[in-house]
Amino acid sequence: QVHLVQSGAEVKKPGASVKVSCKASGYTFSNYGINWLRQAPGQGLEWMGWIYPDSGNTNFAQKFQGRVTMTTDTSTSTAYMELRSLTSDDTAVYYCARNRAFDIWGQGTMVTVSS
Amino acid sequence: DIQMTQSPSTLSASVGDSVTITCRASQLLNSWLAWYQQKPGKAPKLLIYQASTLESGVPSRFSGSASGTEFTLTISSLRPDDFATYYCQQYHSPPLTFGGGTKVEIK
Repeated sequence: QVHLVQSGAEVKKPGASVKVSCKASGYTFSNYGINWLRQAPGQGLEWMGWIYPDSGNTNFAQKFQGRVTMTTDTSTSTAYMELRSLTSDDTAVYYCARNRAFDIWGQGTMVTVSS
Repeated sequence: DIQMTQSPSTLSASVGDSVTITCRASQLLNSWLAWYQQKPGKAPKLLIYQASTLESGVPSRFSGSASGTEFTLTISSLRPDDFATYYCQQYHSPPLTFGGGTKVEIK
């Protein structure tokens, strides 16, 4: 079975960074792009960017440029998303999802930014 | 950026009803559009991709269609499990963007 399993919830102070992981299983990790999205409490879905594990090519939404890093480790089939300079507006559930039509999703990682 | 305008934002319906949700794109998408269902506290689930192709395992009461820049999701004969929030998403070009969502509520 195909799965994406994300790391656990995080609580961060304003100005800090957070790094979320997304471990893939059940398919060839290098063959599919991984997207990162987020959903603030009670709000809709927001795409942050994607990374292709085979090439390392990335594409980020403009609002996250310079503040986000996406990487992959093909040896462990794991994708990572790091977001820096956190503010309370970054409080959200963060998801990883496979492919451009997001056919497989991680379970979500709650990131809370609070002083 | 491609803007996705989804309507209605809320829809009240009864079990057995047929409902339609609409998404309008700000430019042509060449059918690169997906629909998702999301329940509270859960990750979204892909229902339809390429505007009208049913994802494996999704019941056939869900269907999608397209006409120009307008896309529709139809749920025929609503079941209790279908009360949820639905989103459209374009994957024609980055940034990938979503409609604002439609919450389907029990009347």
